[in-house]
Amino acid sequence: EPEVTQTPSHQVTQMGQEVILRCVPISNHLYFYWYRQILGQKVEFLVSFYNNEISEKSEIFDDQFSVERPDGSNFTLKIRSTKLEDSAMYFCASSGLGYGYTFGSGTRLTVV
Amino acid sequence: GQQLNQSPQSMFIQEGEDVSMNCTSSSIFNTWLWYKQDPGEGPVLLIALYKAGELTSNGRLTAQFGITRKDSFLNISASIPSDVGIYFCAGQVKTSYDKVIFGPGTSLSVIP
Repeated sequence: EPEVTQTPSHQVTQMGQEVILRCVPISNHLYFYWYRQILGQKVEFLVSFYNNEISEKSEIFDDQFSVERPDGSNFTLKIRSTKLEDSAMYFCASSGLGYGYTFGSGTRLTVV
Repeated sequence: GQQLNQSPQSMFIQEGEDVSMNCTSSSIFNTWLWYKQDPGEGPVLLIALYKAGELTSNGRLTAQFGITRKDSFLNISASIPSDVGIYFCAGQVKTSYDKVIFGPGTSLSVIP
């Protein structure tokens, strides 16, 4: 089965540092998403991306966050200056024809 | 915004028992989704429902999309230890490419 791949699986960073979380969506998918899950809480939508631009973003996705599709296969989430409260699991997802909305296994971000 | 409520919050059952969990919404969804999340993993889609009143099965799992489009239930028959995890209901308001809005989850524990 096709998979959404996320790297790294775990990232530890110092407060104030920039982090980039990487995702390789399913190859023929056209819609890409990032979600966040703080420990013990529900999964929350951050941003959706289609046709090389953001199609929707939530209140959580403020100026500290940005997304990019730098080439034909990767989709990245950048947090410019991390805060302690950014510690969470970050999930990438993709959807499109032929194979449905699929989530990756996540990156656990720990800000210290 | 759209909010989903799930009940119960947690369940402890004996292996072999049937399980039923519910999800309600304050607004209408066009698609209802049920996901399972294992610790440290991303949500995995169990069942997708697209039409009001639709009843769909996937092995020991059965889910229904409520007539009002504001509720859904998930049943698991003859539970086994690997059913342990968190079950999230989720919905999409517009299309199947829309963001997914998650409920708070039902934590299921199965006692062998």
